[in-house]
Amino acid sequence: EVQLVESGGGLVQPGGSLRLSCAASGFSFSDHYMDWVRQAPGKGLEWVGRIRNKANNDTTAYAASVKGRFIISREESKNSLHLQMNSLKTEDTAVYYCARPPTGHWYFALWGRGTLVTVSS
Amino acid sequence: SYVLTQPPSVSVAPGQTARITCGGNNIGSKSVNWYQQKPGQAPVLVVYDDMDRPSGIPKRFSGSNSGNTATLTISRVEAGDEADYYCQVWDSSSDVVFGGGTKLTVL
Repeated sequence: EVQLVESGGGLVQPGGSLRLSCAASGFSFSDHYMDWVRQAPGKGLEWVGRIRNKANNDTTAYAASVKGRFIISREESKNSLHLQMNSLKTEDTAVYYCARPPTGHWYFALWGRGTLVTVSS
Repeated sequence: SYVLTQPPSVSVAPGQTARITCGGNNIGSKSVNWYQQKPGQAPVLVVYDDMDRPSGIPKRFSGSNSGNTATLTISRVEAGDEADYYCQVWDSSSDVVFGGGTKLTVL
């Protein structure tokens, strides 16, 4: 079955760090770009960032709101995607989804169920 | 940065047609995608590349895009269509952009 499963969410204090993971299965993980999208409570969807595939040197792109604080990486041996979140702010509180765009396209046909990150003192 | 504007809410009676708009500067030159999201669930792609439907999405869902407005049309609306709907594009300067979302209420 093709699926994405996020993990690692929880409660963290402002200024703290947290690492999210996304386990991919049922498809060739190494061939695909992978993205993170978040949704604050009661709010809309916000793109967080992307990591391209090995053929594109695993390069990354980030939304302005997280650039310099968040780092996306991938672990091919474990078919896993990671989101390292540093210097967390209360406004980073959200459900974080990993999502996969089809090759050559900029939409998301495959989503995980999300993991909740709460930044609060 | 590129901005997509959606109405906060749209209401429609069962069996009628719902139209949800997504406004953006010259959006007709971009490929627009639409997602349905029900409470507590991940988004589901319902229309991609302006007007194509993923497998499993009913033909009642259709899309159009021209000028400064893209539209998601849901024909013969059912109670199960009640959800939040988001438009999305890729922009060369902003990367992935989502609209603010529209809550569809089935009366």
